[in-house]
Amino acid sequence: GDSVTQMEGPVTLSEEAFLTINCTYTATGYPSLFWYVQYPGEGLQLLLKATKADDKGSNKGFEATYRKETTSFHLEKGSVQVSDSAVYFCWGGIQGAQKLVFGQGTRLTINP
Amino acid sequence: DAGVIQSPRHEVTEMGQEVTLRCKPISGHDYLFWYRQTMMRGLELLIYFNNNVPIDDSGMPEDRFSAKMPNASFSTLKIQPSEPRDSAVYFCASSLGGGLVYNEQFFGPGTRLTVL
Repeated sequence: GDSVTQMEGPVTLSEEAFLTINCTYTATGYPSLFWYVQYPGEGLQLLLKATKADDKGSNKGFEATYRKETTSFHLEKGSVQVSDSAVYFCWGGIQGAQKLVFGQGTRLTINP
Repeated sequence: DAGVIQSPRHEVTEMGQEVTLRCKPISGHDYLFWYRQTMMRGLELLIYFNNNVPIDDSGMPEDRFSAKMPNASFSTLKIQPSEPRDSAVYFCASSLGGGLVYNEQFFGPGTRLTVL
């Protein structure tokens, strides 16, 4: 069935390190793809999205490219900051079935 | 602009009691979503509304759960009777247009429910 699988955490990095959080999808057709971020004690907020193949979403130094060849939407940032410490969720929006599928979340901790 | 407002922020109750969670979406948004988040099950979409009408409640876990949206600015999620396994953070979110699968959702701060 339709699903999204993301990299298990927790992930701990030092400030200014390069970040990649993997996300792959399984779906009939081409889903919309999202990265949401949840800071401690808050609700989720959209970080970036892409609605079709080869689209690149970007925000706050984060990027992700929708790659249909590898069914992936990996999140990347070139130089992380302590303030990026949060839980990151990959989502898929399945148009045909009209449903959302969620990754389990990846907890990221950045140490100074 | 005010974001999505949820109340209460924290609720502690005893098993068997009725619990009502409240949500005020962003003004003008036509979609409203209720989610549950737990360590074991992650994020789950319980139900969503479009123009105050429930569209899909297939995520509601049991008949003990019910949700209403009497008008465009208010929704409730009720659990009756509550059980310890209902302990979770419940989020409300809203969005404007685009259906379920395309548009950005704006989340409230959540209600942390503890059922003893």
